[in-house]
Amino acid sequence: AQSVTQLDSQVPVFEEAPVELRCNYSSSVSVYLFWYVQYPNQGLQLLLKYLSGSTLVESINGFEAEFNKSQTSFHLRKPSVHISDTAEYFCAVTPTPAGNKLTFGGGTRVLVKP
Amino acid sequence: GAGVSQSPSNKVTEKGKDVELRCDPISGHTALYWYRQRLGQGLEFLIYFQGNSAPDKSGLPSDRFSAERTGESVSTLTIQRTQQEDSAVYLCASSPGAGSGNTIYFGEGSWLTVV
Repeated sequence: AQSVTQLDSQVPVFEEAPVELRCNYSSSVSVYLFWYVQYPNQGLQLLLKYLSGSTLVESINGFEAEFNKSQTSFHLRKPSVHISDTAEYFCAVTPTPAGNKLTFGGGTRVLVKP
Repeated sequence: GAGVSQSPSNKVTEKGKDVELRCDPISGHTALYWYRQRLGQGLEFLIYFQGNSAPDKSGLPSDRFSAERTGESVSTLTIQRTQQEDSAVYLCASSPGAGSGNTIYFGEGSWLTVV
């Protein structure tokens, strides 16, 4: 079984400041890792994912996450946030190679202030 | 449509009534998932379909919950004798196959309120 812990339930941050959302996981098998974002009144959207290869993965809107196997972490970062980044962010894992369900963390609500 | 479609988007029901929630996955997606998101909490896995069969229904919270999928397309989640603790957003998702590297696409959810 897998479990995911997002240590911060809420993160207030000023516009143009950096933000880091922490995600740690526990699993007895290898996993793939994902970050999903849920904007207000919208469904979940995939932000980025790590399957293999380079441990640093990037999204098209400036977010990046680094897989650290030794620390079982997959923290999400953005060097400069915009008001439009206000959303809830969910970290998730699924076992490889034939996992069939995502296990989610509890979510981190990011509120970007002007 | 282009995305995962769910209906109804909002449902208010009286305690003890049965409800049906519908999901239309992305065309061609063989894998379909149901999740539940209670207010202020993360997503809980309910059930997974591959085609019309459900190899993993381990997340269904009680025998009041059931789901079916027909034609490798539409799925219905049924909650019988609803209770107040069933109030949540029920999210449906689909993916091209069962491989865990496939991106899972979510619908906007069905908000269920049991009064």
